[in-house]
Amino acid sequence: DTEVTQTPKHLVMGMTNKKSLKCEQHMGHRAMYWYKQKAKKPPELMFVYSYEKLSINESVPSRFSPECPNSSLLNLHLHALQPEDSALYLCASKGEGMNTEAFFGQGTRLTVV
Amino acid sequence: DQQVKQNSPSLSVQEGRISILNCDYTNSMFDYFLWYKKYPAEGPTFLISISSIKDKNEDGRFTVFLNKSAKHLSLHIVPSQPGDSAVYFCAAGNSGNTPLVFGKGTRLSVIA
Repeated sequence: DTEVTQTPKHLVMGMTNKKSLKCEQHMGHRAMYWYKQKAKKPPELMFVYSYEKLSINESVPSRFSPECPNSSLLNLHLHALQPEDSALYLCASKGEGMNTEAFFGQGTRLTVV
Repeated sequence: DQQVKQNSPSLSVQEGRISILNCDYTNSMFDYFLWYKKYPAEGPTFLISISSIKDKNEDGRFTVFLNKSAKHLSLHIVPSQPGDSAVYFCAAGNSGNTPLVFGKGTRLSVIA
């Protein structure tokens, strides 16, 4: 099983809503990532979790709040977002060792209205 | 400062011909390199990788070449097929859990 599963696939939320994005992998990977991707741009790193601990936060606004409840799950809690936060949110995981690729989920297409 | 650069935003190739996508990097600490393919509204899909100890890696129609002295890698697709039309991202990393660094992508269009 080399899948990273993200739910929901699409999400429309108002600026006062609270919602969560979910990501799940069962490859035993201990590094998990959240990326944000806008149209015609590369994925932009937001957060890195290593062994369920937040190791990198790329100066992401506090309206995005990550959570890693266990080694298979990664959540991204959203609150008071702005329309410019509309993007494709990608989760990825990577195994340890040399030359291991990151596996990406299909993403959640988020629209903030 | 872009550590991974893909200087061609787009490329058009006739079906059956070779597609060559290029990527340059600046960070000497990178020790492996990957190519991802991405369709609209989907996550990137891993295509092929190469370790810095090699200069070539081949997988079917896809070959990646690495020139460490020039800090340059390229992806060759031959023969190109219409289904190869997508955005291709070059990414670089090093051993451990450090995140990958992506280039800006090259949109490949294979024309039938």
